[in-house]
Amino acid sequence: QVQLQESGPGLVKPSETLSLTCTVSGGPIGRSGPYWTWIRQLPGKGLEFLGYIYYSGTTYYNPSLHSRVTMSVDTSKNIFSLKLTSVTASDTAVYYCARTKTDNGIRVFDVWGQGTMVTVSS
Amino acid sequence: EILLTQSPGTLSLSPGQRATLSCRASQSLSNSQLVWYQQKPGQAPRLLIYGASTRATDIPDRFSGSGSGTDFTLTISRLEPEDFAVYYCQHYGGSPWTFGQGTTVEIK
Repeated sequence: QVQLQESGPGLVKPSETLSLTCTVSGGPIGRSGPYWTWIRQLPGKGLEFLGYIYYSGTTYYNPSLHSRVTMSVDTSKNIFSLKLTSVTASDTAVYYCARTKTDNGIRVFDVWGQGTMVTVSS
Repeated sequence: EILLTQSPGTLSLSPGQRATLSCRASQSLSNSQLVWYQQKPGQAPRLLIYGASTRATDIPDRFSGSGSGTDFTLTISRLEPEDFAVYYCQHYGGSPWTFGQGTTVEIK
């Protein structure tokens, strides 16, 4: 079965770039169907959908991120990545990567990574 | 952007009781594009229900979803100890996809 694992620095300085990678195991990322997705959870709060990337490189980003976000995919390594620029303390959150299942028109996050805490602080 | 409002914020119940959670959308969701997730402390959310009423793989039948348009409900028929958690609804009826703020089901 497919498993996802986030990795990256747990501490980022304000105004710098947050970079995370999600390693996919148990299945190829480079196949039609799923979207590879990033979601975050602010401390003690709810969930925010950040965007997704398709294996072809097509992306969708949540407009709330104001062009600060970039996602990429490397099918040869079975990974996808998130970059968030000009971070502030309000970007402190648990970041999850997830698979969006798209069968029959549905769009559901059916497989999740365990999440990685990223703190923005000097 | 479609906003989802969940109620109540917290539900205090005992094991064996029935839980009824509500999710209201600010616009009608065609094709019942509404999903429910369960999240326990320190864990990622887990997919429960999609298409408003279809249980995901391996989800017990005590969990059921209903509703259409703007009003949706998650029902847990008889609470088991492992069901005490936070429940989120999420839509994919428009862009961006958004989540409700969550309902905590706690042990009374």
